[in-house]
Amino acid sequence: DTAVSQTPKYLVTQMGNDKSIKCEQNLGHDTMYWYKQDSKKFLKIMFSYNNKELIINETVPNRFSPKSPDKAHLNLHINSLELGDSAVYFCASSRNRQGAGVSPLHFGNGTRLTVT
Amino acid sequence: QKEVEQDPGPLSVPEGAIVSLNCTYSNSAFQYFMWYRQYSRKGPELLMYTYSSGNKEDGRFTAQVDKSSKYISLFIRDSQPSDSATYLCAMSAEEGNNRLAFGKGNQVVVIP
Repeated sequence: DTAVSQTPKYLVTQMGNDKSIKCEQNLGHDTMYWYKQDSKKFLKIMFSYNNKELIINETVPNRFSPKSPDKAHLNLHINSLELGDSAVYFCASSRNRQGAGVSPLHFGNGTRLTVT
Repeated sequence: QKEVEQDPGPLSVPEGAIVSLNCTYSNSAFQYFMWYRQYSRKGPELLMYTYSSGNKEDGRFTAQVDKSSKYISLFIRDSQPSDSATYLCAMSAEEGNNRLAFGKGNQVVVIP
């Protein structure tokens, strides 16, 4: 069973469209994230949710809206897609363990978004 | 200057060689240091985790942290073709992953 699964795997769409990416984790983790990896492989956090509550919202355009219906799911909706949104989007999850340093991030296999 | 600098490579080595990767950083508050491995078309997976300065060994992998120089290293001994991947360093000043800063990743190719 895949621990962190995201769909779709590939997404090709035109500028101006609205699209969603779904993510589910079956690890029982409290915290979920969205990361963006650009063409130069640079991985940057976009959002972090802990128990369905938004913790981090980095400098991401408000065209991007995360939604967490429950702590096992974190979806990403993108409005009015732009060429610069083309990237690989990774969902990840981790335990939330206070006083225990850093818990490993468990990543999905990414959604390759191409905006034409 | 980015918080974490990592030479993207690629780095090609023959099978059996020692692979040496490193990252430098500017934030002296960083105290949690990680190496993630990312195979092509896959998500990154945690390889090594070190807290503060020192060395950590796990099988063929050794992670070193030199906080005085703001420099971390990953060594892979007896490299195998299956080690071919991109290696990303990551670090944080605080517990949890919310402020994790990643390097650009270093692509390694081990030639049989």
